[in-house]
Amino acid sequence: EPEVTQTPSHQVTQMGQEVILRCVPISNHLYFYWYRQILGQKVEFLVSFYNNEISEKSEIFDDQFSVERPDGSNFTLKIRSTKLEDSAMYFCASSPTGTVAYNEQFFGPGTRLTVL
Amino acid sequence: KQEVTQIPAALSVPEGENLVLNCSFTDSAIYNLQWFRQDPGKGLTSLLLIQSSQREQTSGRLNASLDKSSGRSTLYIAASQPGDSATYLCAVTYGAGSYQLTFGKGTKLSVIP
Repeated sequence: EPEVTQTPSHQVTQMGQEVILRCVPISNHLYFYWYRQILGQKVEFLVSFYNNEISEKSEIFDDQFSVERPDGSNFTLKIRSTKLEDSAMYFCASSPTGTVAYNEQFFGPGTRLTVL
Repeated sequence: KQEVTQIPAALSVPEGENLVLNCSFTDSAIYNLQWFRQDPGKGLTSLLLIQSSQREQTSGRLNASLDKSSGRSTLYIAASQPGDSATYLCAVTYGAGSYQLTFGKGTKLSVIP
């Protein structure tokens, strides 16, 4: 069964460093998302991406964050200068359709980001 | 701001028992509601999607219902098994053209053998 994959599973970085989190969405899906979950807290939406551009973003997704689909399979989240509070599990998700009501999202296993 | 609440935060039941998990949302103008399962340190597994026009969805031992007018959804698990132990999250999509999911904090379920 097709699934969303993410690499690396765990990333440790120093504060102020740039990190890139990678995702391979399900191959025939059209919408891509990033969410994050700080330990013990709710899963929070960061950004959605469709047709090679951002379609929605949350207040969390500030200028330090960017997303890119560099080729036909990968979808990346870049954090330009990491802060301690960026430590979280980052989930990539994808969904197949353009109709909100039918839009089931499928999540990857996550990348745990630890900022020291 | 839209809020999704799940009560209880944790639930422990003996194996074989039928159980109900609750989810409530502040704005009845949802487009769909999705139930997920999350195992410790793992990703989210989609269990069921209920569109706003539907009242319920079933998958195996799972049945999810939706009452938009009261802002509530329930996930019914029949004949619970130790393998069902996990955190169950509900999430809703609001607003025309918005695909973002708003999550509850989840209910941690423990099924005791």
